[in-house]
Amino acid sequence: QSALTQPASVSGSPGQSITISCTGTSSDVGSYNLVSWYQQHPGKAPKLMIYEGSKRPSGVSNRFSGSKSGNTASLTISGLQAEDEADYYCCSYAGSSTYYVFGTGTKVTVL
Amino acid sequence: EVQLVESGGGLVQPGRSLRLSCTASGFTFGDYAMSWFRQAPGKGLEWVGFIRSKAYGGTTEYAASVKGRFTISRDDSKSIAYLQMNSLKTEDTAVYYCTRVQPPTFDIWGQGTMVTVSS
Repeated sequence: QSALTQPASVSGSPGQSITISCTGTSSDVGSYNLVSWYQQHPGKAPKLMIYEGSKRPSGVSNRFSGSKSGNTASLTISGLQAEDEADYYCCSYAGSSTYYVFGTGTKVTVL
Repeated sequence: EVQLVESGGGLVQPGRSLRLSCTASGFTFGDYAMSWFRQAPGKGLEWVGFIRSKAYGGTTEYAASVKGRFTISRDDSKSIAYLQMNSLKTEDTAVYYCTRVQPPTFDIWGQGTMVTVSS
C-alpha cells in the first residue's frame, strides 16, 4: 500500500488561508470518509486536528477545516497564525487488510 | 488528565528483542482499543498495529512491515499496553508512539520513546 501524496511544503502569510491536499486511491481516501489530519510540531507528538474528513475534536480551533472530493482530501487553515507552523499528516482507513495509510507529510511555513 | 506515557526504548542490536510499554491514566483503559505508531528519523508516520478492547475480543492487527515480528498485548488491570518487538532490524529505528483509539481515529498520543537498532 503506497503512502498518500501530500505537497512537501505549503506557505502563507499571517491571516491568509492555505490548503493542503492529500491524494490517495479508490482503495483508501475514495472509499471511506475516514480521513484524519494530524499536526506535529518539531520534537513533539502528533495532535489530532480533523477526523472523519471534516469533524474537529473539542479544543481544536475552527480555523481548521477538512473536506474531500473523490480520492483527494484537503485540510484548510484559515487566518494563518505563527503557531500553525508545523508538519501536517493525513491518514486514511484503507480497509481490513491494510487498515491505515499515512500521507507523506506537509511542512507549513508562516512567512 | 488523560495521558499516555511510553517507556522501554533504547539502543538494541539487530536481531535482538525489545518490549515497549504504554501506561495510561485519566480514562477507563479497558474500554478502548490501543494502537502503536512509529516515525523514523526525519520521516513520516507509520501505523504499526492495534489491539482491540476485551469487549471486542482483544484481538490484534498489524502492518505488513512488522507482522510476525511484533506483538501487541495489554494488561487492563495495570492500564498498560505493550509492544513486543522481536528480530529487530536497522529499519525499525524510530520514535514509537502509543495512542488511544477513538474509532475511527487516534485521539490521544503519548510523547514517544526512541528505539535505535544498531550494532
